[in-house]
This record gives sequence, C-alpha cells and structure tokens, in this order.
Amino acid sequence: EPEVTQTPSHQVTQMGQEVILRCVPISNHLYFYWYRQILGQKVEFLVSFYNNEISEKSEIFDDQFSVERPDGSNFTLKIRSTKLEDSAMYFCASSEALRGDYYGYTFGSGTRLTVV
Amino acid sequence: AQSVTQPDIHITVSEGASLELRCNYSYGATPYLFWYVQSPGQGLQLLLKYFSGDTLVQGIKGFEAEFKRSQSSFNLRKPSVHWSDAAEYFCAVGARNAGNMLTFGGGTRLMVKP
Repeated sequence: EPEVTQTPSHQVTQMGQEVILRCVPISNHLYFYWYRQILGQKVEFLVSFYNNEISEKSEIFDDQFSVERPDGSNFTLKIRSTKLEDSAMYFCASSEALRGDYYGYTFGSGTRLTVV
Repeated sequence: AQSVTQPDIHITVSEGASLELRCNYSYGATPYLFWYVQSPGQGLQLLLKYFSGDTLVQGIKGFEAEFKRSQSSFNLRKPSVHWSDAAEYFCAVGARNAGNMLTFGGGTRLMVKP
C-alpha cells in the first residue's frame, strides 16, 4: 500500500535555529498538507498546498513557517527560527482528489520536533 | 467553521467487552467523517471514513461507526475489544467543497484491562 514518508522521525534543534521537515507524498496525489500535534493536545491543521501554492493555512502558520515542493517528489515544511512552543509532532499528509474531496487522504508517521 | 467534540477523554474497558467512543460534530451540511487511531509515538492510521450512502461504515480491525445526522454524531464501536486496541482515537471532520482540511477532535485515550 502506498505510503507518505517523513524524515527524520525525530529532530532536536536549538531555539532560534532553522529546521526543515521533509515529506515524500504518495506519487499520484495532488494535495499536500502539514498538521501538528503538541504533546497531549489535538491534531491541528497548519497548511494545504496544491498546484505549487498554498491553498489554505491556519492561524498557526505564521511568517515563521513556509512550505515548498522543491522537486517532483518532496514536500517540505521550514520553520525559520524555532521557538520552544514549536515542539510537537508534525504530520505530513497527501490526498489524490481535487479540492473538496478526501479520497486517498493518507498521513505519514510524523516527525517529532523537540526545541531546546 | 466545522468542529468536533469527543466528550470522553479517557475510557477503560475490559478485554472482550464492547466499546463505543463518542464523536459529535458541528457542520452546516453533510460532512466527511473519519476515525483515526494513534498508538504511542506513532502516526495516524485511518480506521474508517464516511462519505455518503450507508450510514453504518465498516472499518479495519473490526471497528464500525454509524453516522446519525439527527444527532450530529459519528460514534465508533467494536463488539469485543482486544488488548492491542489500547491507543488514542481521533474523530475528524472534513468540509465539502471548501478545501481538504481536516478538523480533529481532542481524542479519546482507550485503556484495556486484562
């Protein structure tokens, strides 16, 4: 079964440093997403990406965050200057269908980011 | 905007007992509905989803859920719980015709007694 692959599985970074989380979505999928889950809290939507641009973003996704699809396979989330409160599990997801549909919506196994 | 409430933060059941996890949603039309399971330190695994049609949905690992429009609910059930079902369960709702964002509930942590 096709998978969404995230690397690394764990990352520790110092406050103020830039971090890039990487994801390889399922190859025929069109929509890409990032979610995060702070320890003990609910999973929260960050951003969706379609046709090489952001289609939606939440209030959490401020200027410190950016996303990119640098080539045909990778989808990255960059945090420019990490803060302690950015510590969370970050999930990448992708879906195959067009806007307003959820077929094939698949999550990766997550990257646990710890900011110290 | 849509929202999801999972009223039970923790539930403990005995192995072999039946299980029902509650989920209530708020959305102006018929939503897409999902249940995910998360084992400790792991990712989100899809158990089942409702898009349309039959309101009783079968999923993996013996789980099922029933969409009840009148109650705005999508409760997850399993007739006989196994120790390996201990995990956190998340209900999620997706809006139709408004992008592909999922909104999650706060989760229910299931513990299984031997």
